[in-house]
Amino acid sequence: SQQGEEDPQALSIQEGENATMNCSYKTSINNLQWYRQNSGRGLVHLILIRSNEREKHSGRLRVTLDTSKKSSSLLITASRAADTASYFCATDPNTGGFKTIFGAGTRLFVKA
Amino acid sequence: DGGITQSPKYLFRKEGQNVTLSCEQNLNHDAMYWYRQDPGQGLRLIYYSQIVNDFQKGDIAEGYSVSREKKESFPLTVTSAQKNPTAFYLCASSIQTGHNQPQHFGDGTRLSIL
Repeated sequence: SQQGEEDPQALSIQEGENATMNCSYKTSINNLQWYRQNSGRGLVHLILIRSNEREKHSGRLRVTLDTSKKSSSLLITASRAADTASYFCATDPNTGGFKTIFGAGTRLFVKA
Repeated sequence: DGGITQSPKYLFRKEGQNVTLSCEQNLNHDAMYWYRQDPGQGLRLIYYSQIVNDFQKGDIAEGYSVSREKKESFPLTVTSAQKNPTAFYLCASSIQTGHNQPQHFGDGTRLSIL
């Protein structure tokens, strides 16, 4: 199974509501990243949180990391229709080599 | 504007045919990557290159080949040995491989079988 697994698989909310997506992983990591993918497009990097950080903010995005639970969450506040996309977590396992492992993603649909 | 350009956007392959997907970047990044994305799944690493004239297999390299003759270019060939090539292929780059390096992605090539 994959290192990073997002939950829920799909999420539908009204514009203005907050959206929370979760990511769980199995092995210890150096960092965790969140990416966004609009339909039929490439991924766009949103935020990176290091293993020694607990929370990070970027505009309407808030990311938390709990290394004891091997989990992270992405919160999008005051969502907009333009936030409709798939969101992926990507982990950089602390295995001594290079590898970034992407989860299967959460599909977010924001209704106007 | 700097970025990654993938071409073509759509590609069709006949049985027994090799096809090559183009990936060009003008970000001056050393590292480049190829991923395969299937519906409802995450990205799986096919090949990556840390520097010119060097590349390494990823998790699903069988049936694919790459070259890295120039820093800007990292073409991917899908060979006839790849029996299930229908997928969305994404190319990415980063300043270097290693920890804490965000990846920049192209807009992908969708490959289908005729």
